[in-house]
Amino acid sequence: RKEVEQDPGPFNVPEGATVAFNCTYSNSASQSFFWYRQDCRKEPKLLMSVYSSGNEDGRFTAQLNRASQYISLLIRDSKLSDSATYLCVVNHNAGKSTFGDGTTLTVKP
Amino acid sequence: GAVVSQHPSRVICKSGTSVKIECRSLDFQATTMFWYRQFPKQSLMLMATSNEGSKATYEQGVEKDKFLINHASLTLSTLTVTSAHPEDSSFYICSARDRGGITDTQYFGPGTRLTVL
Repeated sequence: RKEVEQDPGPFNVPEGATVAFNCTYSNSASQSFFWYRQDCRKEPKLLMSVYSSGNEDGRFTAQLNRASQYISLLIRDSKLSDSATYLCVVNHNAGKSTFGDGTTLTVKP
Repeated sequence: GAVVSQHPSRVICKSGTSVKIECRSLDFQATTMFWYRQFPKQSLMLMATSNEGSKATYEQGVEKDKFLINHASLTLSTLTVTSAHPEDSSFYICSARDRGGITDTQYFGPGTRLTVL
């Protein structure tokens, strides 16, 4: 079993749709959690950190459930520019980060 | 957010040559930097953890004598691909961890696309 598992996707949604991505992690000692987005042939860019209290940034909402070892990302009112691969990242106390394989989102007109 | 630069952005070289890639954290000090490799349509694979002032820690299956890492200062780590071969052609990305912020965030360089002929 992988340390960080994400919905395999791909997700193909129309503009304006709401889409949710899920991520689970196996290491209960994980310390911090993030969502990154990666565009084709580009480096990953930090989208948002994920906290137990949940956090929202515009159309994006991230949630962390430590008990279930589950992270989610919700995108409301999808835009064409949201098309990308979304990576779930888990940081460990040892200093390493573990990446999920990513979930690809395509938003269509 | 924090800025990490990487140089060169693209390199094409002949088989057997060595290629050096630099990774710099521009506005924060990074005691730890990471080197990743990404093949087309695959996920990021961690190659090694670069620690300032000490030896790098390599992931299983990554040859330390082939991928030389030097982290000489708090803002610079270098990866040298020695005697590169076509199978080393990949997208190499570095990241630096900013532990000075509220959360332990990792920032990525723009990547280096290596093509070995």
